[in-house]
Amino acid sequence: DVKVTQSSRYLVKRTGEKVFLECVQDMDHENMFWYRQDPGLGLRLIYFSYDVKMKEKGDIPEGYSVSREKKERFSLILESASTNQTSMYLCASRTTNTGELFFGEGSRLTVL
Amino acid sequence: QKEVEQNSGPLSVPEGAIASLNCTYSDRGSQSFFWYRQYSGKSPELIMSIYSNGDKEDGRFTAQLNKASQYVSLLIRDSQPSDSATYLCAVTPAGGTSYGKLTFGQGTILTVHP
Repeated sequence: DVKVTQSSRYLVKRTGEKVFLECVQDMDHENMFWYRQDPGLGLRLIYFSYDVKMKEKGDIPEGYSVSREKKERFSLILESASTNQTSMYLCASRTTNTGELFFGEGSRLTVL
Repeated sequence: QKEVEQNSGPLSVPEGAIASLNCTYSDRGSQSFFWYRQYSGKSPELIMSIYSNGDKEDGRFTAQLNKASQYVSLLIRDSQPSDSATYLCAVTPAGGTSYGKLTFGQGTILTVHP
């Protein structure tokens, strides 16, 4: 089974703090994604990566950056957290042959 | 027009009935189609994928794809209370590269009552 692991399930941070969300997958997938999910807004793509050190902006990249130094690990960084970044963050990885996307358990971030 | 549209529901069906969930998409060249189930407070879980016109069955689930009409549906037979969740339709757009991103619908809330 595909395993996508997010390091933190619940985080509480203060405005202005730097926040790191880590994601690791064990299936050697090339493609990895970060989404946020908010009530009424659905899943929105923040960034994705199609290979090590490669990244592409998604639909809502403002206020976020990412890092992919190793194939299995994709990190989301909030340089200076703001209250409007309170959300559920979902990491996913994807097969290139079938295109199926597999999600981690999610990280619920609260910014006070 | 939204790229992927679903009726937000809630859709309520009695236990044992067939639940029918529908999704339409705007990009005629879309190639891959997926259904995800998401329980409250949990992450989406892939339950079906379909790539060609017609029906695809997996246990109590059947996905139906009609590219000419640009819709994809999910039927859940013998619905159980444990099927109560939000169901997300996702589509890979036309011309997508191997790393093409999926576009998700807003989701349909399904409630199966005993």
